[in-house]
Amino acid sequence: DAGVIQSPRHEVTEMGQEVTLRCKPISGHDYLFWYRQTMMRGLELLIYFNNNVPIDDSGMPEDRFSAKMPNASFSTLKIQPSEPRDSAVYFCASSFAEPRPPYYEQYFGPGTRLTVT
Amino acid sequence: QKEVEQNSGPLSVPEGAIASLNCTYSDRGSQSFFWYRQYSGKSPELIMSIYSNGDKEDGRFTAQLNKASQYVSLLIRDSQPSDSATYLCAVNTAGGTSYGKLTFGQGTILTVHP
Repeated sequence: DAGVIQSPRHEVTEMGQEVTLRCKPISGHDYLFWYRQTMMRGLELLIYFNNNVPIDDSGMPEDRFSAKMPNASFSTLKIQPSEPRDSAVYFCASSFAEPRPPYYEQYFGPGTRLTVT
Repeated sequence: QKEVEQNSGPLSVPEGAIASLNCTYSDRGSQSFFWYRQYSGKSPELIMSIYSNGDKEDGRFTAQLNKASQYVSLLIRDSQPSDSATYLCAVNTAGGTSYGKLTFGQGTILTVHP
């Protein structure tokens, strides 16, 4: 299995620009999660989907952030306009809902390191 | 009170010693408990899952769960310098709209020195 795939791995952009991060979950997984990690705040859940439907977006910091999952194998996280405080590592993770153990084991992608100057 | 709390660390142990990492959680309905290892500059990697009270062993790693006391721990025997990383405790949130979601602790930095 290829694991969770994220692109790009690194993104450097100027304040005010639009940034789009991409994620391909593990085939067969029905949950997809977007996290942000910084030294100050640790790992934060931004939004997650179940069967392509957003379940909880309470972690999305502002209206500048949006996420979509048009199909079971692709999701995007968009920041528009970007700000320096958005600089962080963004992880995508996926899991499969099992009715009995092992359940909810999440597997992370390699992350996208975003720098907004 | 944070939902998932880990001992603050950093934790430093000599090579060959036992490293003990602890985690407490607040949601009594939680059913699934995980330990992730994260090397600097890398993504979290799932190393242990535990669902029932007691111990679960996998190689040099032992996870311990006590639901009555709401704590989960990870023991690393014969610690190696390659074990130096941040260890994240994660707990699933029970039911409702949070089904499938994990709550992560802040992590404990472990350093194993030769």
